Amino acid sequence: DGGITQSPKYLFRKEGQNVTLSCEQNLNHDAMYWYRQDPGQGLRLIYYSQIVNDFQKGDIAEGYSVSREKKESFPLTVTSAQKNPTAFYLCASRGQGVLNTEAFFGQGTRLTVV
Amino acid sequence: AQKITQTQPGMFVQEKEAVTLDCTYDTSDQSYGLFWYKQPSSGEMIFLIYQGSYDEQNATEGRYSLNFQKARKSANLVISASQLGDSAMYFCAMREGGGYSTLTFGKGTMLLVSP
Repeated sequence: DGGITQSPKYLFRKEGQNVTLSCEQNLNHDAMYWYRQDPGQGLRLIYYSQIVNDFQKGDIAEGYSVSREKKESFPLTVTSAQKNPTAFYLCASRGQGVLNTEAFFGQGTRLTVV
Repeated sequence: AQKITQTQPGMFVQEKEAVTLDCTYDTSDQSYGLFWYKQPSSGEMIFLIYQGSYDEQNATEGRYSLNFQKARKSANLVISASQLGDSAMYFCAMREGGGYSTLTFGKGTMLLVSP
């Protein structure tokens, strides 16, 4: 079945470590997005990519990095520079660029710093 | 200024009753789209309904309808005949312009449906 797969579902990180969250889609979507969700904050955009080998910063990109080497994959690295990384991370993708196309989301990764 | 405002942190409704979740938005674009997503406790985001800025009729999808009042910049979600499975977080979101423009989300409303 087509969809977006995020892994792992739960991730624990020690302070000072980098960690990479995986996001893979088989929907043949060009655009992919990473959001962060904190309690009471809704979803905030970290990075997005509209095409392979290109990506743009979102509203809260500091302390994060991404790559888009393949259309299907958009991994997010949470670096040690991210001061408060404990959050729920959601990856999304979207098809052709018309206004009414909804974004499809993965199941999310819950990251906890220990 | 917030682009999407959801003023109700939590709402309670009895099973089989209708409930309205509020959403107001702020944009200077003429072309934009409004979305509602449901997030159960498991975390995934489920698309519910879409309304385009040029759509003259309110969108409906089964038990979901969107009360779109363009002049007031509001896009309220109406759930008819609530079910226990409707208990979840609900997010209003907006996309401005075209192309691969991004979604901006509100802070959400937690809906609890009681028997």
